[in-house]
Amino acid sequence: RKEVEQDPGPFNVPEGATVAFNCTYSNSASQSFFWYRQDCRKEPKLLMSVYSSGNEDGRFTAQLNRASQYISLLIRDSKLSDSATYLCVVMDSSYKLIFGSGTRLLVRP
Amino acid sequence: EPEVTQTPSHQVTQMGQEVILRCVPISNHLYFYWYRQILGQKVEFLVSFYNNEISEKSEIFDDQFSVERPDGSNFTLKIRSTKLEDSAMYFCAHSGDTYEQYFGPGTRLTVT
Repeated sequence: RKEVEQDPGPFNVPEGATVAFNCTYSNSASQSFFWYRQDCRKEPKLLMSVYSSGNEDGRFTAQLNRASQYISLLIRDSKLSDSATYLCVVMDSSYKLIFGSGTRLLVRP
Repeated sequence: EPEVTQTPSHQVTQMGQEVILRCVPISNHLYFYWYRQILGQKVEFLVSFYNNEISEKSEIFDDQFSVERPDGSNFTLKIRSTKLEDSAMYFCAHSGDTYEQYFGPGTRLTVT
């Protein structure tokens, strides 16, 4: 089983749509969880940390279910500029980040 | 979050040559990391560095790789004898008081 697993997509949605990405991780001892976004040939940029209580930042909502080892990201009212690859990232007990392969999002006009 | 700079942005080298990739992090950050991303693949951890020592390294980080902070500011990744499969984007990252890691713009290494 992959350490961090994501649906590669692409998700092709119209502007204004709501889109949800899911991710599962295999190591129950994982410490911290993040969503990063990556534009083509650019560095990963931290979108948000994910907390057990769930957290929201504007149009973005992240959820964590430790029992199911499942992380989600919801994007509401999607914009053209949201088009990117969304990386689910897990931090292990030695503070290194383990990346999923990413989910590609295309937002069309 | 303050930026991390990396130089060069693109390095082309011949197989067997040594390369040094540089990262200039914010001076008050304590934790530094190198990651790489082969084209079309996921980002992979290479090494973490804390208090001028390696704290963790992956199985990718073999004897061909080394890291240093020679002057207390620049943070370097050296590959002693490059192979074709070392072609990738190399990202430096840093973190401070929180667990959040912030990435530099990367160096694209092309080995011919």
